[in-house]
Amino acid sequence: DVKVTQSSRYLVKRTGEKVFLECVQDMDHENMFWYRQDPGLGLRLIYFSYDVKMKEKGDIPEGYSVSREKKERFSLILESASTNQTSMYLCASRTGTGGEKLFFGSGTQLSVL
Amino acid sequence: AQSVTQPDIHITVSEGASLELRCNYSYGATPYLFWYVQSPGQGLQLLLKYFSGDTLVQGIKGFEAEFKRSQSSFNLRKPSVHWSDAAEYFCAVEGGGFKTIFGAGTRLFVKA
Repeated sequence: DVKVTQSSRYLVKRTGEKVFLECVQDMDHENMFWYRQDPGLGLRLIYFSYDVKMKEKGDIPEGYSVSREKKERFSLILESASTNQTSMYLCASRTGTGGEKLFFGSGTQLSVL
Repeated sequence: AQSVTQPDIHITVSEGASLELRCNYSYGATPYLFWYVQSPGQGLQLLLKYFSGDTLVQGIKGFEAEFKRSQSSFNLRKPSVHWSDAAEYFCAVEGGGFKTIFGAGTRLFVKA
């Protein structure tokens, strides 16, 4: 089975801290995604990457950046965390063929105090 | 730009009753369309997907969805709901460039 692993299940940070959320997939997938999930808003796409060192902004990239130096790892970076970035963050991956399903990690619940 | 609308934030149905969850999308061409389910405390699981061919697609757990191009809709249905179907359901659209956009979700409550 495909495994998408997010490094932390729960994370508590202070306002202004730099935060790294890590995601690793073990199936050689080309595409990787970061979403945030908020009640009533569903999943909103922050960034995605269709190949190593390639990235594209999603619908809500402000306040975030990403890094993909290796194919299996996709990191989400909050340069200066703010309280409105408190959310559930979901990483997903899939093959580079259109129409394939996304495989999701179990999520990181981030609280910014 | 692509977008997905799920007009119902939550729906309550009785166990054994039929279910229809609505999804409308906006995209210039026919996109890939998906329904995912998220059970409490669980990750998202694919129920079914559509790209071309037969407009009625079958999925897992007895779900089906019908693509209607004229209405830009992809509604999810189940003829008889079980208590274990209580979950949040998300419609998603993949347009050009691998970008996959989700709707806001519909939470399903099942009454005994």
